[in-house]
Amino acid sequence: EVQLVESGGGLVQPGRSLKLSCVASGFTFSNYGMNWIRQAPGKGLEWVAYISSGSSYIYYAETVKGRFTISRDNAKNTLYLQMTSLRSEDTALYYCARRGYGLDYWGQGVMVTVSS
Amino acid sequence: DIQMTQSPSFLSASVGDRVTINCKASQNINKYLDWYQQKHGEAPKLLIYNTNNLQTGIPSRFSGSGSGTDYTLTISSLQPEDVATYFCLQHSSRLTFGSGTKLEIK
Repeated sequence: EVQLVESGGGLVQPGRSLKLSCVASGFTFSNYGMNWIRQAPGKGLEWVAYISSGSSYIYYAETVKGRFTISRDNAKNTLYLQMTSLRSEDTALYYCARRGYGLDYWGQGVMVTVSS
Repeated sequence: DIQMTQSPSFLSASVGDRVTINCKASQNINKYLDWYQQKHGEAPKLLIYNTNNLQTGIPSRFSGSGSGTDYTLTISSLQPEDVATYFCLQHSSRLTFGSGTKLEIK
């Protein structure tokens, strides 16, 4: 069974940093590109970042470029999102999602709240 | 960046109705368009990928069509369990979600 489990969220002050993790199981992690997607409370979905299977291709949304870094460790079946210079508008539920045909598997999400 | 305009934002229909949701891209996205369903408190679920390919396990009452800049999700006979918010997603260049359509039963 494919599973994606996010962790690392919480309450953080503006300007501080936070690192999210997404542990994958039930499939060959190193064969798939992965995404981070976020959803602010009561709002729609916003794509944040993408990393290819071997980390050769990395893309970011303009809203996070220069502040967030996506990475992965295929030996640990884990996807990461390092978030720095956090702002109140980064408050959201953060999902990791596998890129197969479509975003075919999603985690349950981890909440990040940026507030003083 | 490619922008996605989704309509309507809200839709109320009766059980058994045929329902359509539309997405319009700001430029040609060459059928790189998926549809997702998000029920309250849950993660989104893939319904259709690349315009018209039904994801495994999704009921056949869901279908997708379109080309160029205009795409449609159709539910042929609305069921109570279809109450959800629906999003389109273009993946022709980076990824962009539509703003969502909240579907309710009348």
